[in-house]
Amino acid sequence: GENVEQHPSTLSVQEGDSAVIKCTYSDSASNYFPWYKQELGKGPQLIIDIRSNVGEKKDQRIAVTLNKTAKHFSLHITETQPEDSAVYFCAAPSFLGNEKLTFGTGTRLTIIP
Amino acid sequence: ETGVTQTPRHLVMGMTNKKSLKCEQHLGHNAMYWYKQSAKKPLELMFVYNFKEQTENNSVPSRFSPECPNSSHLFLHLHTLQPEDSALYLCASSQTPPGLAGGGGEQYFGPGTRLTVT
Repeated sequence: GENVEQHPSTLSVQEGDSAVIKCTYSDSASNYFPWYKQELGKGPQLIIDIRSNVGEKKDQRIAVTLNKTAKHFSLHITETQPEDSAVYFCAAPSFLGNEKLTFGTGTRLTIIP
Repeated sequence: ETGVTQTPRHLVMGMTNKKSLKCEQHLGHNAMYWYKQSAKKPLELMFVYNFKEQTENNSVPSRFSPECPNSSHLFLHLHTLQPEDSALYLCASSQTPPGLAGGGGEQYFGPGTRLTVT
């Protein structure tokens, strides 16, 4: 099945600076890569996703890049703000009989004012 | 609000109790999921329902019993749980299962039920 690794597990960034979180995956057939943000006391919220037919996608201060050859994808947050502090999860689908998402272990991002 | 609601938000139960978790989605989706989230572990998929049919049981112990009466509602029936079952239980829904050709698969999560087994 799919194996997703996420780094780093914790990340502290000065407000206004950029943050980058990276994930690698193992299933070369994977074609959909979402990123979720989870704030305290809430469920994960989909913030951006990318499909395998593109290499980059941007939505305001958030961007995701995909390198299918190397099987890794990254979340980039620019001009970070205190409300960006949360746990971020990447995910990738697996295809062995049933399509399902395998999640990374999460990155706790702290924005330092 | 994501359009996925879960009740109760918090639950404390003894090991001999029977309780149920409820999930409802207002998004017109066809697939629903139960996940378990424990501290310092990845989200663990428990069950998947697609068009009310269970398509995945991720080796979950029989003390967890899912029920999907229609594509908008999903239940997780709990009985004789163990303390290690204490966790946040998350429900999610999507239009289609993830990764299928043609797109879809975006999962929307509810706020979760924080379960404590004593």
